[in-house]
Amino acid sequence: KQEVTQIPAALSVPEGENLVLNCSFTDSAIYNLQWFRQDPGKGLTSLLLIQSSQREQTSGRLNASLDKSSGRSTLYIAASQPGDSATYLCAGLDSNYQLIWGAGTKLIIKP
Amino acid sequence: DVKVTQSSRYLVKRTGEKVFLECVQDMDHENMFWYRQDPGLGLRLIYFSYDVKMKEKGDIPEGYSVSREKKERFSLILESASTNQTSMYLCASSLSLEGGTSSYEQYFGPGTRLTVT
Repeated sequence: KQEVTQIPAALSVPEGENLVLNCSFTDSAIYNLQWFRQDPGKGLTSLLLIQSSQREQTSGRLNASLDKSSGRSTLYIAASQPGDSATYLCAGLDSNYQLIWGAGTKLIIKP
Repeated sequence: DVKVTQSSRYLVKRTGEKVFLECVQDMDHENMFWYRQDPGLGLRLIYFSYDVKMKEKGDIPEGYSVSREKKERFSLILESASTNQTSMYLCASSLSLEGGTSSYEQYFGPGTRLTVT
């Protein structure tokens, strides 16, 4: 059964730094991988979706990569800002077309 | 832009009450989902629907039912609310089961924080 793990669970960095959030999955039979952002008490905002045939997607200061062979995805945030503070979740679409969720990384950007 | 709305941001109900959570999407999506999110447990799928009047159980359907009478609306029903159903409830939609895996991209509503006392 597919399992998704996110490390670290929490991360605090100074403003302006580049950072990487990690997401690993156990089953390479993954159809796509989606990164979300969640602000406290709010719903989820879709950031990037990488299809299984793709290796990366970019949106502004965000870049997400997918390496199915190693079971890893990373979310790269360039020039971090305090407004980037949130919880970031990754989810992989499994062979049953269901999203399998990681527990999230809580990111704090210090001004 | 896809818009998914939920009927309430915050809801307080008493044990034993029947509770209705409503979700509406405006992008003609075929698939709709109900999740609950609890600290330490992450997001768990309760039910989903891939067409009008169709429903499928997710990982934790016990104590819940759903209704999808119209394509744009998906309702989650707690027949007799219990304190262990206190949670954040999130609704999501995605385009279809066809057209490539990009059509599975899920869009979420703002969530309903339900407290059962």
